[in-house]
Amino acid sequence: KAGVTQTPRYLIKTRGQQVTLSCSPISGHRSVSWYQQTPGQGLQFLFEYFSETQRNKGNFPGRFSGRQFSNSRSEMNVSTLELGDSALYLCASSIGTSRGPQETQYFGPGTRLLVL
Amino acid sequence: AQSVTQLDSQVPVFEEAPVELRCNYSSSVSVYLFWYVQYPNQGLQLLLKYLSGSTLVKGINGFEAEFNKSQTSFHLRKPSVHISDTAEYFCALRRDTGRRALTFGSGTRLQVQP
Repeated sequence: KAGVTQTPRYLIKTRGQQVTLSCSPISGHRSVSWYQQTPGQGLQFLFEYFSETQRNKGNFPGRFSGRQFSNSRSEMNVSTLELGDSALYLCASSIGTSRGPQETQYFGPGTRLLVL
Repeated sequence: AQSVTQLDSQVPVFEEAPVELRCNYSSSVSVYLFWYVQYPNQGLQLLLKYLSGSTLVKGINGFEAEFNKSQTSFHLRKPSVHISDTAEYFCALRRDTGRRALTFGSGTRLQVQP
């Protein structure tokens, strides 16, 4: 079974631009979560999607948004990029059952975003 | 609010020596606990998790962890490390509230020296 895939793997943008990152979960997984990893703040939860609905959101400004499609693929978008948005963005998928908190999340390799 | 504290940012150790990576947590509700490993330029890989039952949990690559509710700890151990264990290790928790969001510690860099 293929793992979680994220595209692109590397991205360079300039301040003020917007960016869209893509995540394809493991086949059969219905839940997708996004995390931001930076040296200063560590790993922080961005949001979780299940059945095309955002179920949970972390403490990030409204410039960060996402969506999930009917095939469970997910995208996240960051508008009006700031230097501090430079980070590794990780996507994780899980099966999506009623026992959500017990599920293992499988992480993709991440998209490394550099904002200049 | 919940939090995870990893007491050591870096742990140097010689190959074949034992190692313990410390993790303490704080939460007002029941939690599930996880250890993940991150190799350079890769995502996170699950080492082990504690959901319930036996407090000693065995994971992949010879790692194990012990859940201690009274001390709110979930320390990770390996009796004999290899060079290939050099990586960043993250302790994480998830509250038993129906949500899947993980709260991570700041990570511990394990450096195995020959």
